Amino acid sequence: GAGVSQSPSNKVTEKGKDVELRCDPISGHTALYWYRQSLGQGLEFLIYFQGNSAPDKSGLPSDRFSAERTGGSVSTLTIQRTQQEDSAVYLCASSLEGTGGAETQYFGPGTRLLVL
Amino acid sequence: AQTVTQSQPEMSVQEAETVTLSCTYDTSENNYYLFWYKQPPSRQMILVIRQEAYKQQNATENRFSVNFQKAAKSFSLKISDSQLGDTAMYFCAFRHAGKSTFGDGTTLTVKP
Repeated sequence: GAGVSQSPSNKVTEKGKDVELRCDPISGHTALYWYRQSLGQGLEFLIYFQGNSAPDKSGLPSDRFSAERTGGSVSTLTIQRTQQEDSAVYLCASSLEGTGGAETQYFGPGTRLLVL
Repeated sequence: AQTVTQSQPEMSVQEAETVTLSCTYDTSENNYYLFWYKQPPSRQMILVIRQEAYKQQNATENRFSVNFQKAAKSFSLKISDSQLGDTAMYFCAFRHAGKSTFGDGTTLTVKP
């Protein structure tokens, strides 16, 4: 694929329901990142995966949030028992390699989540 | 923990003029990277320019340049010859060991 893709583009759910957000990184990118962007705010780091290393989950706001990356490619961010404060745009990014810091992160278009 | 501050929530500039967006950060790290990203209404985050902290020379990319002052922990973005397509939200970001910290952004409007 040409870039990072995310699905769905928009998701409306009811409070208390679980949601899954998907990210397809650029082929060959070993690093994958999830961020959350609340309205009019900057990006909040959630989690990042680098190759086969254990993911850095230090940004996950609560144990209702989890993420996995299967086969070093596609990643799914799961939010259980959604709350209204979870409403935000969830952005995924990938890069060739994460630990150095210089690598360009390519962002997906995001998933806009609205919890009613 | 690192923090990134963008003190200008909104700015505007006339087409063809120059504008500077400010960014300051706080860190105890010595090796890190700094970035400016652009986010137009389409929501797609696009890298504008990046700077390695160990490099004294300011990065430039066509009409975009930075003024990196490591001792002052300042990293401003200058946009020359502003174009209508530059209208967007601009985020300053700090990255160390794979983790990025973003500022709250500056909304830039280029007026015809």
